Amino acid sequence: EPEVTQTPSHQVTQMGQEVILRCVPISNHLYFYWYRQILGQKVEFLVSFYNNEISEKSEIFDDQFSVERPDGSNFTLKIRSTKLEDSAMYFCASTGTSTNEKLFFGSGTQLSVL
Amino acid sequence: AQSVTQLGSHVSVSEGALVLLRCNYSSSVPPYLFWYVQYPNQGLQLLLKYTSAATLVKGINGFEAEFKKSETSFHLTKPSAHMSDAAEYFCAVRSYSSASKIIFGSGTRLSIRP
Repeated sequence: EPEVTQTPSHQVTQMGQEVILRCVPISNHLYFYWYRQILGQKVEFLVSFYNNEISEKSEIFDDQFSVERPDGSNFTLKIRSTKLEDSAMYFCASTGTSTNEKLFFGSGTQLSVL
Repeated sequence: AQSVTQLGSHVSVSEGALVLLRCNYSSSVPPYLFWYVQYPNQGLQLLLKYTSAATLVKGINGFEAEFKKSETSFHLTKPSAHMSDAAEYFCAVRSYSSASKIIFGSGTRLSIRP
């Protein structure tokens, strides 16, 4: 089965530093998402991306966050100035052309902000 | 607004016993409903999805779920639990609109007793 690939699997950073989390969605998919899961809590929606623009974002996705699809394969999440509370597992997901298709999730990047 | 509520943050059953994980949804439009499983230190994997084709949906690993509109429920069941079923299970809902996000429930941790 095709896979969504996320790198790195673990990222440790100092508070206030910028981090970029990288994702390679499935090649023919058109819709891309970032979710996060704080330890012990539910999986929360951050942002969806389609046709090279954000289609929806949650209240969590403030000005510190940005997403980009710099080329035809990568989909990145940037946190400009990390805070302690940004520590979480970040999941990238993608889906194809139909709204009832399943989301394919990557295995996640564990971000630890010290 | 759409949402799902999972009753019981932790369910423990004996190996071989029936597994029942409860999920109720709230949606103003016909929903797409999903169950995802998360094994320790892994990403989210789709178990099954409901897309209005049939009310009883069969998924992987012997799991199934029944959509009951009158009860706004989408409970997950498995006739006989296996030790390998121990994981976190998330019910999720998605609206019928392009690029719409999936909303996850708070999750139910399933433990299997020998």
